[in-house]
Amino acid sequence: NAGVMQNPRHLVRRRGQEARLRCSPMKGHSHVYWYRQLPEEGLKFMVYLQKENIIDESGMPKERFSAEFPKEGPSILRIQQVVRGDSAAYFCASSPQVQPTSDGYTFGSGTRLTVV
Amino acid sequence: GEDVEQSLFLSVREGDSSVINCTYTDSSSTYLYWYKQEPGAGLQLLTYIFSNMDMKQDQRLTVLLNKKDKHLSLRIADTQTGDSAIYFCAERENYGGSQGNLIFGKGTKLSVKP
Repeated sequence: NAGVMQNPRHLVRRRGQEARLRCSPMKGHSHVYWYRQLPEEGLKFMVYLQKENIIDESGMPKERFSAEFPKEGPSILRIQQVVRGDSAAYFCASSPQVQPTSDGYTFGSGTRLTVV
Repeated sequence: GEDVEQSLFLSVREGDSSVINCTYTDSSSTYLYWYKQEPGAGLQLLTYIFSNMDMKQDQRLTVLLNKKDKHLSLRIADTQTGDSAIYFCAERENYGGSQGNLIFGKGTKLSVKP
């Protein structure tokens, strides 16, 4: 049973390009969370999705960032017209249900985005 | 809003005990977590504690929760060099549409000297 799979592991983009980050949740998990970790910082919540629905995007910047979790395929975090400040590690986590449980989420290994 | 605070650095000698402290603000949190992050890696769930518990022990790990003071600690007994990592405290939001989101501290970097 594979864990949460994120790809690519490392992504380099020039300023103004688009970055697409992918996350495949664990089998049987229908809830996906995206977090961003800036250098020397903790993880900050960005967006919470269920299949085909955005449940909470309160942590996501209003411009240039979007997320989706289609019925088929991985969840995608898209950053348009990247700027240097977008350089960070982006982590995806998944869980089987939303009700508080003893299980913390299962996190992927992250995508490290570098904007040059 | 909710906030989780941790000291940023801790240095111990191999074989000693490490104690990492955390304070949080959301009194309605039901679960509190400790995660470990090794360099270049994702987060690994170490342990958790339910808010109606005072203490939880799991092999070398002991979690203490003081709900009145909103203080959480992680004790690692017989610390080994392999324990060197960043340790994140996290609380789980428990209201409205944000139900289930985790609020993380900035992490405590534990360095274990041989």
